[in-house]
Amino acid sequence: GNSVTQMEGPVTLSEEAFLTINCTYTATGYPSLFWYVQYPGEGLQLLLKATKADDKGSNKGFEATYRKETTSFHLEKGSVQVSDSAVYFCALTNSNTGNQFYFGTGTSLTVIP
Amino acid sequence: DAEITQSPRHKITETGRQVTLACHQTWNHNNMFWYRQDLGHGLRLIHYSYGVQDTNKGEVSDGYSVSRSNTEDLPLTLESAASSQTSVYFCASSEGTGVYEQYFGPGTRLTVT
Repeated sequence: GNSVTQMEGPVTLSEEAFLTINCTYTATGYPSLFWYVQYPGEGLQLLLKATKADDKGSNKGFEATYRKETTSFHLEKGSVQVSDSAVYFCALTNSNTGNQFYFGTGTSLTVIP
Repeated sequence: DAEITQSPRHKITETGRQVTLACHQTWNHNNMFWYRQDLGHGLRLIHYSYGVQDTNKGEVSDGYSVSRSNTEDLPLTLESAASSQTSVYFCASSEGTGVYEQYFGPGTRLTVT
């Protein structure tokens, strides 16, 4: 079946620190992979995506590379800001499941000045 | 600008009452989804629809129903609210299948007392 596992939180970092949030997946075929971000009191917003192996998604300084050999899609940012404080969700969708998304449990990030 | 809205944003109801949560999108998307978000579980799919008159059960559909009479709306009904249904509910829509992202509403926080 399809599933996503992401690192447990919460994560607390100082401003300008390096961020990594791990995400691994289980899927048959060729899934598309996504990172969504949820700011306090809001719905989820797409942060970045990658649709095939070795693709790198990037947005707002965040990056993630689709690694088929390790079934991973880790989120990274070189220098976090206070405004990056949010909950981050890794997700996948697969052509063999229509457009159903499978989400990880979310990782809460707090960035302190 | 196109958007997806949910109402009410907050709702308190009593056990056994019927509750309907509204979801309205102006993207003209065929695909619409309902999720619930609970700590430790991430987002779990309740019901989804690929078009007018089409509805499908998701992972946690027991106690919930939906109907799709037009493209814009997918109301979620809790037939007889239970305390286990206290959660935050998100509606989402997407243009198509495969690589298309889902757009999320702001959520409805439901408390069943």
